Amino acid sequence: DAGITQSPRHKVTETGTPVTLRCHQTENHRYMYWYRQDPGHGLRLIHYSYGVKDTDKGEVSDGYSVSRSKTEDFLLTLESATSSQTSVYFCAIGAGEDTQYFGPGTRLTVL
Amino acid sequence: ELKVEQNPLFLSMQEGKNYTIYCNYSTTSDRLYWYRQDPGKSLESLFVLLSNGAVKQEGRLMASLDTKARLSTLHITAAVHDLSATYFCAVDIPGGGADGLTFGKGTHLIIQP
Repeated sequence: DAGITQSPRHKVTETGTPVTLRCHQTENHRYMYWYRQDPGHGLRLIHYSYGVKDTDKGEVSDGYSVSRSKTEDFLLTLESATSSQTSVYFCAIGAGEDTQYFGPGTRLTVL
Repeated sequence: ELKVEQNPLFLSMQEGKNYTIYCNYSTTSDRLYWYRQDPGKSLESLFVLLSNGAVKQEGRLMASLDTKARLSTLHITAAVHDLSATYFCAVDIPGGGADGLTFGKGTHLIIQP
């Protein structure tokens, strides 16, 4: 398995609170991604990073921000969580001719 | 906007039968990926298809890519219960090599004895 961990693995929070999810990789890979998975939607790209401090928006970026201060860590922040952000969040690494490898996921519930 | 459509979205089949899952996409891409997901688990990479006419096989699964038709297929031969899972196809988002993937909604496959 690719060396990707996510923390926390489960979180329950209340509407309006800030939440930060962490993705950590040991593969020294340049590219990292955050997706969310919802029933009936497959996976959708939130943000991605192509290097330290280099990030860009994906399809569903509203309400989310990211930061990457080190190659190995990619943080996803919900500044003020809403119920519509209840989802399973997956981090991934890899690109191009190589497949993307996915982390174990974080199940987030916003009450 | 790139759209990826899978069909069927739900498939119940018997062990020993053959079936095909289809993945259509709306814009040009030379890279297509197939993943498997078990309930409550992460995604596991099955195949990466990198060119027109590419065909890859692993056990009872075979994937192919027709970039001109913008179509990929995942064929299951003599299905067994262990292949029950949700299967996703995904395509590179156009615009450059590392901009992420667009996924289909997934095919939920149940294989019954």
